[in-house]
Amino acid sequence: SQQGEEDPQALSIQEGENATMNCSYKTSINNLQWYRQNSGRGLVHLILIRSNEREKHSGRLRVTLDTSKKSSSLLITASRAADTASYFCATDSSGNTGKLIFGQGTTLQVKP
Amino acid sequence: DGGITQSPKYLFRKEGQNVTLSCEQNLNHDAMYWYRQDPGQGLRLIYYSQIVNDFQKGDIAEGYSVSREKKESFPLTVTSAQKNPTAFYLCASSLAAFRSEAFFGQGTRLTVV
Repeated sequence: SQQGEEDPQALSIQEGENATMNCSYKTSINNLQWYRQNSGRGLVHLILIRSNEREKHSGRLRVTLDTSKKSSSLLITASRAADTASYFCATDSSGNTGKLIFGQGTTLQVKP
Repeated sequence: DGGITQSPKYLFRKEGQNVTLSCEQNLNHDAMYWYRQDPGQGLRLIYYSQIVNDFQKGDIAEGYSVSREKKESFPLTVTSAQKNPTAFYLCASSLAAFRSEAFFGQGTRLTVV
């Protein structure tokens, strides 16, 4: 079952520009997480935002959560070529299953 | 160094064979997970374990089996019943099941030859 869905599927920007990725989900959640994956590697945790939080920052990353719209966004400011990767949102349903469900990801390419 | 280690990095399986993927963590995490990732896709949950000697099926458990005899180890066996096993397999662990940051291994790429 698909819980989080990212938009856009692919994004190409120039170095120095900002990158915004969106995630929509269907059911109530306890928290939402963003992960990064370099090609052929494991995922790396970026940020966890709880359902009672609206915004969180970590370095050049800014995550927002709108539970009324069941959506989240990840903003990477002043992007660098090294930010090139796939970005996934993951949600844990506050329902019975409580499993962490990953979206299909946004592939970000930052051109130097 | 604390972390989660998967081995091997690449694995080739002949049709009809069972193969076992290794996952070890020294983070003292209670919860461990196995995910499957197909090209250009997100992760799908195969099995998870919230505590030693206990595990539950995820969304795509058919053709897979696991064990959790030790806190540090959560091996995944891909059986011959799994009809399309070629994929990238990711193991992860976390302090509490699905409620906290997950730490991932570097993955095992399994190919059926």
